Amino acid sequence: SAVISQKPSRDICQRGTSLTIQCQVDSQVTMMFWYRQQPGQSLTLIATANQGSEATYESGFVIDKFPISRPNLTFSTLTVSNMSPEDSSIYLCSVAKTGSYGYTFGSGTRLTVV
Amino acid sequence: AQRVTQPEKLLSVFKGAPVELKCNYSYSGSPELFWYVQYSRQRLQLLLRHISRESIKGFTADLNKGETSFHLKKPFAQEEDSAMYYCALSGRNTDKLIFGTGTRLQVFP
Repeated sequence: SAVISQKPSRDICQRGTSLTIQCQVDSQVTMMFWYRQQPGQSLTLIATANQGSEATYESGFVIDKFPISRPNLTFSTLTVSNMSPEDSSIYLCSVAKTGSYGYTFGSGTRLTVV
Repeated sequence: AQRVTQPEKLLSVFKGAPVELKCNYSYSGSPELFWYVQYSRQRLQLLLRHISRESIKGFTADLNKGETSFHLKKPFAQEEDSAMYYCALSGRNTDKLIFGTGTRLQVFP
């Protein structure tokens, strides 16, 4: 399966600022996804990162708040913009390859907004 | 609408006891079902995929289309099985993955 490097692993940010999270994969993948896991909650899909085009956002998530880039088949970024304490969460990158065994997840970015 | 339901937030058993973590789903079509596990301080990892029909770490799960269920079972729980277990669904290969709310399994010695 693919190996994912997600950075940073954690950060503490001031409200009103923005943080960009990077997801680097060791091989080309078909699909890349961004999830949020709020404290004590399950994983919620934010968006599907599309290579060369705008990301596909799930209900409740918008591009202005969570801009996503995917310039190639091995890399994506998620930005959490104009942060508030409610954005404190773990953000996870996930990838999938056509014909592969399931989805692989990064180790996550633990974000605390103060 | 796509939905995955895990009715139990917490399941506590003693070592050696049988375990069944329940998962029901709602999907119009033929879904792919998965079980993911998250051990303490570790990343989420795939445990089972219904297409593979295999047993991993003694766990099995059978897809019951009539009951729209994909329950995870193990005949004899071990302490190292203590973790968060998530049932998940996707519409087709590499489509987005939808998660249930998770069940925390505690296995006592």
